[in-house]
Amino acid sequence: DARVTQTPRHKVTEMGQEVTMRCQPILGHNTVFWYRQTMMQGLELLAYFRNRAPLDDSGMPKDRFSAEMPDATLATLKIQPSEPRDSAVYFCASGLGTAGNTIYFGEGSWLTVV
Amino acid sequence: DQQVKQNSPSLSVQEGRISILNCDYTNSMFDYFLWYKKYPAEGPTFLISISSIKDKNEDGRFTVFLNKSAKHLSLHIVPSQPGDSAVYFCAANRRGSQGNLIFGKGTKLSVKP
Repeated sequence: DARVTQTPRHKVTEMGQEVTMRCQPILGHNTVFWYRQTMMQGLELLAYFRNRAPLDDSGMPKDRFSAEMPDATLATLKIQPSEPRDSAVYFCASGLGTAGNTIYFGEGSWLTVV
Repeated sequence: DQQVKQNSPSLSVQEGRISILNCDYTNSMFDYFLWYKKYPAEGPTFLISISSIKDKNEDGRFTVFLNKSAKHLSLHIVPSQPGDSAVYFCAANRRGSQGNLIFGKGTKLSVKP
């Protein structure tokens, strides 16, 4: 049963600390997305990669957020330093990168910054 | 500027009746539309999709209708069941965007027994 795997599932951290979220996309998927869900904005795209290359990270605050794909099986989203307004659920999703194909979401990383 | 809009934050329906969830979009370059369902503490899961060259797609109890001239799509669930209670997200893909989906803010559906 192929699925997108995210860690950690839950994270509580103090303001100013570094947070790293990890994602293992579905094997064979070449497109990886990071979404953030908040009450006010719904699901907003932060960044996405195709064949490990970043295609668009315009939705991401550049001064504190960074996204990378060290290899085809791992995507990371890092926040440094974290702020209370970063508290949200962060979803990773993967897909085959074509319009007619759906993308598949992980279960999310619940981040609380106090 | 929100390109995909779900104007109803919530909807309550009686079990057995029809649920109709609506979605409007502004970008005429969208060529594929999808509905995702999300339960609490889980990630969104794909439900049904429709290409812009069609006006209807049906899968069991779920039917999606697309009205391109009105830039409007809707998801019909009939009959509604308590297990359908979830948040439903409408999403759209822009032609040439390689699978990048733009999501609405979601509609929370409650199906009451």
